[in-house]
Order: sequence, then structure tokens, then C-alpha cells
Amino acid sequence: GQQLNQSPQSMFIQEGEDVSMNCTSSSIFNTWLWYKQDPGEGPVLLIALYKAGELTSNGRLTAQFGITRKDSFLNISASIPSDVGIYFCAGRSYGQNFVFGPGTRLSVLP
Amino acid sequence: DTEVTQTPKHLVMGMTNKKSLKCEQHMGHRAMYWYKQKAKKPPELMFVYSYEKLSINESVPSRFSPECPNSSLLNLHLHALQPEDSALYLCASSQTQGAAGANVLTFGAGSRLTVL
Repeated sequence: GQQLNQSPQSMFIQEGEDVSMNCTSSSIFNTWLWYKQDPGEGPVLLIALYKAGELTSNGRLTAQFGITRKDSFLNISASIPSDVGIYFCAGRSYGQNFVFGPGTRLSVLP
Repeated sequence: DTEVTQTPKHLVMGMTNKKSLKCEQHMGHRAMYWYKQKAKKPPELMFVYSYEKLSINESVPSRFSPECPNSSLLNLHLHALQPEDSALYLCASSQTQGAAGANVLTFGAGSRLTVL
């Protein structure tokens, strides 16, 4: 079946630093989603991507749909303490359900 | 209204109890989903309803019984659960089940289930 890999698995950064994480797939996807999940809460959609090469921003967050359609990247600029959480990517091929990556756990040190 | 509402937030039940989790959305979405999430793991798909009909059952044990009374409501009936069923149960919805257009998953806050 389809599988997603996310890297890094976890990261510790200083407040104010920029963050980069990515998601790779063994299959071609036509939609990529990025979610953030706080402890005890449901995932919250950050950015949705629908076209290869697409670059989309949401405040300090920027995500890109890789041109191979097998990867996606999420960048966070000037991190703040509330960026702490788990970031999940999710991808879907046409006619399939979304597949979730294992998540990147972000910790921000003051 | 752009929310998916789940109740209860927390549920503790014994292995012989019967309980239900409830989910509601008023976004006009015609696909609704149940996911199970264990600690530090991604959500794992359990069931999908499309236009109030069960579309996908990911080989979930029969002690979990989904129900979609109407296009806004989704229930998950629980009976004779095991301690390993303790998890965060997430409901989600999307415009439709298909992959066309801006079809994203909107999640509720989840119901934290503990089975004793």
C-alpha cells in the first residue's frame, strides 16, 4: 500500500529560527495536506496543495508540492513557542483515501 | 459553521459497557470519517461514510459499530471493548469522498477513550 515518510522525526529549535520538514511518498499524489496537532486535540489544517510545483503560504508557513508529485515540503519562519506540536503530512492519489505520514514533532526552546 | 463537533471529550468505560461517540458537522459535507489515533502515531482510518452510506470499513472489529443517521451526524457505537482500544477517536468530514477539487479533511477535537 501507499506509505509516507516524514523527516525529521523530531526537532528541537531555538525560538526565532526557521524550520524545514518534508514528506516523501512511493506513489504519485494529486493532493498534499499539512496539519498541526496539539496534545489532546484534533489535527488542524495548515495548508492544502493541489498542483505539482505549487507554492502556498499561510502567515509564517510556506509549503510546496514537489514537481515529481512524490514529495512536499513545509517551512516555518521565525518560530515561536506556540509552533510546538506534531506536524503531519497527508497525501492522496486520485480515487484513494488520504494517507498520513508518521509526523514531525517540533519543540521550540525559549 | 466550519467545525466538526465531537462528544464526549473524554470517556472511561469498562469492558462490558456499551457507549457511543457522537460527531456533528453543519458544513454540508457529504463524506464523514472515523479515525483512531494512538499516542505519537498518525490517525488511522476506520470507517468512511459517503452520502450516508458506509463506503469503507478498514477491517475494524465488530465491537465498533458506526452509524450515520443523517448527513450531519455520525456515531460510533462501542461494545465489549478491550484495553488496547484506548485511544483518541477522531471524526472528520470532507465535501465528498472523491479526490476532485478542494476536498480536504476537517477534523474534530477528538474523543479520548479509556477502556478499563
